[in-house]
Amino acid sequence: ETGVTQTPRHLVMGMTNKKSLKCEQHLGHNAMYWYKQSAKKPLELMFVYNFKEQTENNSVPSRFSPECPNSSHLFLHLHTLQPEDSALYLCASSQPEGGAGNTIYFGEGSWLTVV
Amino acid sequence: GENVEQHPSTLSVQEGDSAVIKCTYSDSASNYFPWYKQELGKRPQLIIDIRSNVGEKKDQRIAVTLNKTAKHFSLHITETQPEDSAVYFCAARGIGGATNKLIFGTGTLLAVQP
Repeated sequence: ETGVTQTPRHLVMGMTNKKSLKCEQHLGHNAMYWYKQSAKKPLELMFVYNFKEQTENNSVPSRFSPECPNSSHLFLHLHTLQPEDSALYLCASSQPEGGAGNTIYFGEGSWLTVV
Repeated sequence: GENVEQHPSTLSVQEGDSAVIKCTYSDSASNYFPWYKQELGKRPQLIIDIRSNVGEKKDQRIAVTLNKTAKHFSLHITETQPEDSAVYFCAARGIGGATNKLIFGTGTLLAVQP
C-alpha cells in the first residue's frame, strides 16, 4: 500500500471509444504526474500538476486529456486513441517543486490496450 | 531539457557477485538522482537517492555514487540475491523553474542467477 491507487488496472478499448483512468493519492502530496511506460522505452513524463494547476505538458497528443479537480485526484481522459498508445500508464505523486520531500511515489499503473 | 542515458540495458550476474549500473545526465543544474526498482508487473519503487551535495550514499547492500564534474552516477549492489532481479531505473531532476520533472533512463534488466 503506497498510498497511490489507480483504476482500472486493466483497460481494453477500441479506437473510437472514450474512457478515463483515475488516480487517487492519500499521502497529502500536492504534485501529481502521469507517466507512460512502453516496452523498451524509458518512463515518459506526460503531465505534471502542482496544486491542481498543470505545470507541464510534455508534447502529449490532444487525444490524452488530463484533469486534476483537487490535489488528491488525477484523471486521464482518453478518446480516439491509436494502437501505439497501448502501454502502462503510471500515476505518481510527490511534494511539489522545492519541497523537502522530493520522492515520487508511483501507483500500480493501468494497463491500456487499444484495439 | 534533461537527457538521461543508462547502461547496460541488461545485466546478468551470479548470486553473490556485485552489479553496477551507470547513468549519465546532460543538465548540469540537476541536483537530485533517485534509483527505482521495478519488479515484473509491479510499480517502480524508490530504493535509494542522492543529492548533488553528496558524493556517495550507502544503504546496506546498495550504494550510489555521484560525479558532478563528469555528470554521471552509478548504482552498486553487492552480494546480489535472486530477489534483486528486476528492472532498475535511474533518474535525474533539476531544481528551479516552473516544473518538477523527473527524467528517467531507459532501464537495466538485472538477472541474478542462483
